[in-house]
Amino acid sequence: DAGVIQSPRHEVTEMGQEVTLRCKPISGHDYLFWYRQTMMRGLELLIYFNNNVPIDDSGMPEDRFSAKMPNASFSTLKIQPSEPRDSAVYFCASSQKGLGYTFGSGTRLTVV
Amino acid sequence: KQEVTQIPAALSVPEGENLVLNCSFTDSAIYNLQWFRQDPGKGLTSLLLIQSSQREQTSGRLNASLDKSSGRSTLYIAASQPGDSATYLCAPSGSARQLTFGSGTQLTVLP
Repeated sequence: DAGVIQSPRHEVTEMGQEVTLRCKPISGHDYLFWYRQTMMRGLELLIYFNNNVPIDDSGMPEDRFSAKMPNASFSTLKIQPSEPRDSAVYFCASSQKGLGYTFGSGTRLTVV
Repeated sequence: KQEVTQIPAALSVPEGENLVLNCSFTDSAIYNLQWFRQDPGKGLTSLLLIQSSQREQTSGRLNASLDKSSGRSTLYIAASQPGDSATYLCAPSGSARQLTFGSGTQLTVLP
């Protein structure tokens, strides 16, 4: 298996633009998580899905953030409009029944 | 809300030393606990997973223990090597399977 695949690896965008981050979980995994990592706040859970259904989005910082999982093999995290404080590394992780978690390589987002 | 503390925040040791990284968590009702390493600018690599019913797990030079009742886990690294230099993260998972991360221990092993 190729592991959890995230794209793009790096994204530089201007303030106010829409940003879409993508994630392909490991086949057969029923949980998918989106995390954000910054120096100040460490790793924070943004939202997670179980069987494609959003379970807890309480970590989503603002209405500017939204996430979808239209099927078991794809999820997106969208920021609209983006702001400089959204600059961070965004990680996607998947798990089968919560028995161990595999993280993607992350997307480094810079909003200028 | 689960809170995770890792001590020490940073550690620098000469090559060959055995060392212990500590993790404590406030909510003992965990599903399992996972240790990860993160190299600078990279993603998270899973090291060990301990189920809530287990006391420890071993992989090579790594041994992780779990004391759920006291809310503690330790990661033991034997015969440390420069290649072990990284940040080590402890993450218990809750009943809903979400991971909560500590701030990590930044380890430097000097040759």
